[in-house]
Amino acid sequence: EAGVAQSPRYKIIEKRQSVAFWCNPISGHATLYWYQQILGQGPKLLIQFQNNGVVDDSQLPKDRFSAERLKGVDSTLKIQPAKLEDSAVYLCASSSLTSQQSSYNEQFFGPGTRLTVL
Amino acid sequence: DAKTTQPTSMDCAEGRAANLPCNHSTISGNEYVYWYRQIHSQGPQYIIHGLKNNETNEMASLIITEDRKSSTLILPHATLRDTAVYYCIVRPPYNQGGKLIFGQGTELSVKP
Repeated sequence: EAGVAQSPRYKIIEKRQSVAFWCNPISGHATLYWYQQILGQGPKLLIQFQNNGVVDDSQLPKDRFSAERLKGVDSTLKIQPAKLEDSAVYLCASSSLTSQQSSYNEQFFGPGTRLTVL
Repeated sequence: DAKTTQPTSMDCAEGRAANLPCNHSTISGNEYVYWYRQIHSQGPQYIIHGLKNNETNEMASLIITEDRKSSTLILPHATLRDTAVYYCIVRPPYNQGGKLIFGQGTELSVKP
């Protein structure tokens, strides 16, 4: 079974530039998550989709971050304009709807995109 | 904020059991204890979860105290590949958000 795919794996940009990350979840998984992981910290949830609808974006800095999942499959996360403090690993995860609603919520994570803002 | 407290780091000898403690004194009756781990340069990986009873799977065992205020993850025979950051997470049920809130975790180093 193919896992969660993310690209690019690494990205270096100047502050005030824009950047976009792509995620392809596990086939059939209705729920998709984007996390931000700053060095030395645990992942922090930015946004959660169920199919193509947003379930939770309370931690997303909406003045500069945006995300979409137009057809309920792939997703993109964009930062515009980037700040130095956005340097982090951006992780995408997915889970099945059945799993989400049960006690057993296994989220499958991709390898992440490491963003460096100079 | 994370509702758990874990030691920042631990060492374990290869082949020995690794016992990773977690305090969650404010856990509610319907919240689950989840454990994930994150190997360097990879995304987190699910290990095990439980509510009240002890649980075991092919990766680990989870021991939850009777008052549910703490738990221990046990890797029975640690290998070098178990070197990772281990996260203990208290997860509310789905109808209360179901979010996974990661703390800083315990960095486990398995040494030869």
